[in-house]
Amino acid sequence: QVTLRESGPALVKPTQTLTLTCSFSGFSLSASDMCVSWIRQPPGKALEWLALIGKNDDGYYSTSLRARLAISKDTSKNQVVLTMTNMDPVDTATYYCARIRGGSSSDGAFDIWGQGTMITVSS
Amino acid sequence: QSALTQPASVSGSPGQSITISCTGTSSDVGSYNFVSWYQQHPGKAPKLMIYEITKRPSGVSNRFSGSKSGNTASLTISGLQAEDEADYYCCSYLGSSTWVFGGGTKLTVL
Repeated sequence: QVTLRESGPALVKPTQTLTLTCSFSGFSLSASDMCVSWIRQPPGKALEWLALIGKNDDGYYSTSLRARLAISKDTSKNQVVLTMTNMDPVDTATYYCARIRGGSSSDGAFDIWGQGTMITVSS
Repeated sequence: QSALTQPASVSGSPGQSITISCTGTSSDVGSYNFVSWYQQHPGKAPKLMIYEITKRPSGVSNRFSGSKSGNTASLTISGLQAEDEADYYCCSYLGSSTWVFGGGTKLTVL
C-alpha cells in the first residue's frame, strides 16, 4: 500500500524558513522512476504546484517560487524535505505531497496524495 | 507560468451531463498529453480522476471522461450524482519536470 504523510510546524512567523517533511511508504525513490512533488492550496483557493524530486538529486521548481524553494530527499528514511525561505502570510496554505511517475514511463498523474498539513504564517 | 483557465462554477441536475473546460496555451495543454483531472471534496486531499487526457485510474467510475482539442482539455461527467459535487482541478505538464494546475471549478449538483 502506498502512503504519503506530510509533517511540519503548524505556525511559522513571517520571514522565517519553513521546513516540511513528506514521509512515504510502498515505493522507492531510488529504485524506480517514482517522484514526489509538493503542491499547496491556500484556504479557499486553487492548487499550486511547487516542486518535484526523483531518482537523482535534481530538484525542479515553480518558476515563480524557485528562489525560495529547495527540495531534497533522504532515501534511507523514505523522506522528501521541502524548505521555503522568507515566509509571508500569503504562504498560508495546506501543503500536500504527492507521488508521480517520472522518466520514460511517466503518465503525468499525481496518483497518491498525502492528507496535507496546514501551515499558517503569522506573527 | 499562469494557472490554466477553468470556469469558476458549473452545475447540473442529477442524471444530467456536464463538461468542465481547462484552457491553456500551446506551451502546456497544447503541447503535451500529460493532462490530468482531480476531484476534491471539502477538507479532503485531491483524488486523481483522469490522466493522460482520457485514461481513468482503476476504481474511477466510467461516468468520468476526458478529452482535448488544441489548447483546451475537458472533463465530462455523465449521469450526475450527488456525490460528484466537489471542486475539480485540471493539471498540465509544462516541460522540464514542471507542472501547472487550473484555477479550479466548483461543481454543484442541483
